Amino acid sequence: GAVVSQHPSWVICKSGTSVKIECRSLDFQATTMFWYRQFPKQSLMLMATSNEGSKATYEQGVEKDKFLINHASLTLSTLTVTSAHPEDSSFYICSASSSAVVLNTEAFFGQGTRLTVV
Amino acid sequence: AQSVTQLDSHVSVSEGTPVLLRCNYSSSYSPSLFWYVQHPNKGLQLLLKYTSAATLVKGINGFEAEFKKSETSFHLTKPSAHMSDAAEYFCVVSRTGFQKLVFGTGTRLLVSP
Repeated sequence: GAVVSQHPSWVICKSGTSVKIECRSLDFQATTMFWYRQFPKQSLMLMATSNEGSKATYEQGVEKDKFLINHASLTLSTLTVTSAHPEDSSFYICSASSSAVVLNTEAFFGQGTRLTVV
Repeated sequence: AQSVTQLDSHVSVSEGTPVLLRCNYSSSYSPSLFWYVQHPNKGLQLLLKYTSAATLVKGINGFEAEFKKSETSFHLTKPSAHMSDAAEYFCVVSRTGFQKLVFGTGTRLLVSP
């Protein structure tokens, strides 16, 4: 099956620093990747959608300059939280989808990254 | 616009008894509907999906769901709960396939011995 690997699984950083989270599709080419944020005991909220080689499309209310998304290849997307603050602490999850016929009816999720800003 | 309402934030069952997790959806288009499960600090695993084929959908681990257009519902069921089923369950709707998934608020399933 299609596997999406997210790294790191957890990270602690100091306020004001930047953190990069990677999302890789291991055995398929991900034409589209999605980044979600999940607050404790709440649902997932879509932050942005990225297509390979294009600028990400951000959802309303998501700061583009704070959450930098890069989708430079068909197997890798990165989310960089810039100048992190404690309120950015959350669980971030990526998902990837493919235009390939056998894979295009499902999105495949990474295992998530728990970010704690101190 | 699309939305999903999960009617129960928590459901408690005893091991071996049936499970029912309720979900109602709203969609201006023919929806695709999914159920995902999330174990603590883990990513999401797809249980099953409805994409306009058979209305009774069978998924993994003995779960199934029935798409009822007249009731705009997509409830998740399992005949007999297992301790390992304890997790958070999300009902999800999208306009077409996997694009721009809209998540419900989740239902925490608690299974007691």
